[in-house]
Amino acid sequence: GENVEQHPSTLSVQEGDSAVIKCTYSDSASNYFPWYKQELGKRPQLIIDIRSNVGEKKDQRIAVTLNKTAKHFSLHITETQPEDSAVYFCAASISASKIIFGSGTRLSIRP
Amino acid sequence: NAGVTQTPKFQVLKTGQSMTLQCAQDMNHEYMSWYRQDPGMGLRLIHYSVGAGITDQGEVPNGYNVSRSTTEDFPLRLLSAAPSQTSVYFCASHLLGEQYFGPGTRLTVT
Repeated sequence: GENVEQHPSTLSVQEGDSAVIKCTYSDSASNYFPWYKQELGKRPQLIIDIRSNVGEKKDQRIAVTLNKTAKHFSLHITETQPEDSAVYFCAASISASKIIFGSGTRLSIRP
Repeated sequence: NAGVTQTPKFQVLKTGQSMTLQCAQDMNHEYMSWYRQDPGMGLRLIHYSVGAGITDQGEVPNGYNVSRSTTEDFPLRLLSAAPSQTSVYFCASHLLGEQYFGPGTRLTVT
């Protein structure tokens, strides 16, 4: 079955700098890759997703890139702000049905 | 719309007890899933369903049962609780895309 590896497990960046979180997946049939943000004590919420027919997607300060050949995908957050502090999860799925998550990255923004 | 609701919010069980975690959604989503969240281990898929009457196992199904008799409801049953099942449980629903998570149930097994 699908396995998703996520790195790093913790990340601390200076406010205003960029943050990059990387994930790899094992099943080449996976074609849907969402990213979720979970604030302390709250439920995960979708921040961006990408499908396998697209190499990159942007939404304001957030972008996701996908390399199908290498089975890698990454989340890029630019101009980080204090409210970006949270745990971020990547996930992979075949046809967006059975969705498998990575182990999460705790992002801290230093003032 | 209430979205995805879960009950109870908190539960303490003794080893060997059984219980059912309730999950309901009012968005007419075909897909529903149960995850458990443990520190440092992310969200692990327990069981999922692609429609009423259809369920399948996820990554960590042992010790849990599910059923899906209606589109709206997807209960998770713990057959004989064990301390290893202490966790936060999230139910989610979606329609081939963005998952909407419930508020979670914090379960402690002593």
